Amino acid sequence: QSALTQPASVSGSPGQSITISCTGTSSDVGAYNYVSWYQQHPGKAPKVIIYDVSIRPSGVSNRFSGSKSGNTASLTISGLQAEDEADYYCSSYTSTSTLEVFGGGTKLTVL
Amino acid sequence: QVQLVESGGGLVQPGGSLRLSCAASGFTFSNYYMNWIRQAPGKGLEWISYISSDGRTTLYADSVKGRFTISRDSAKNSLYLQMDSLRAEDTALYYCARRGGSQYNDFWGQGSLVTVSS
Repeated sequence: QSALTQPASVSGSPGQSITISCTGTSSDVGAYNYVSWYQQHPGKAPKVIIYDVSIRPSGVSNRFSGSKSGNTASLTISGLQAEDEADYYCSSYTSTSTLEVFGGGTKLTVL
Repeated sequence: QVQLVESGGGLVQPGGSLRLSCAASGFTFSNYYMNWIRQAPGKGLEWISYISSDGRTTLYADSVKGRFTISRDSAKNSLYLQMDSLRAEDTALYYCARRGGSQYNDFWGQGSLVTVSS
């Protein structure tokens, strides 16, 4: 059981927008603005697409955006493209004895 | 460019040991915190260990505490994970990752596969 809760799967058609939620607790997501999102294509290493809740690293498309409200963070992908089909993981810094916790991952299917 | 290359994975029997290495290049290794993160086959990501830039502070997930040891050698630009008392549930692809300026992993290696089986 993962520390952060994500939907197992989401889907959308090209051009549409989708949102993936990531629910934690007051010890992680709710306590810090240190939520990050990672995209992982099959057989590849994860790649950071959002950090510090809403900051995009250089080179990441502005179709990706992040937000947070209370203990829940969200990743929104607008203008869906076929290349966005991948697994997405959220992560948060935590005040517990561990450093960070991940969500269980969400498989995005572009219909 | 930043590169992280893991090595040392393989097949090991339950109760055995293995040492993973991660060779870093393209950045000043001694300035960065580093993580080990693993992914069991078909499963999600699990953070397992962290080491500070000077090596003085280490943290572990409860699942590996007391069995795994993280270390680094800045002279060799290398990160290590000593894994002892291995269990079947430790079977996973092990990634080393650089901790960015904030609390996130900005660069990842391609992973080293560890299989624990008799």
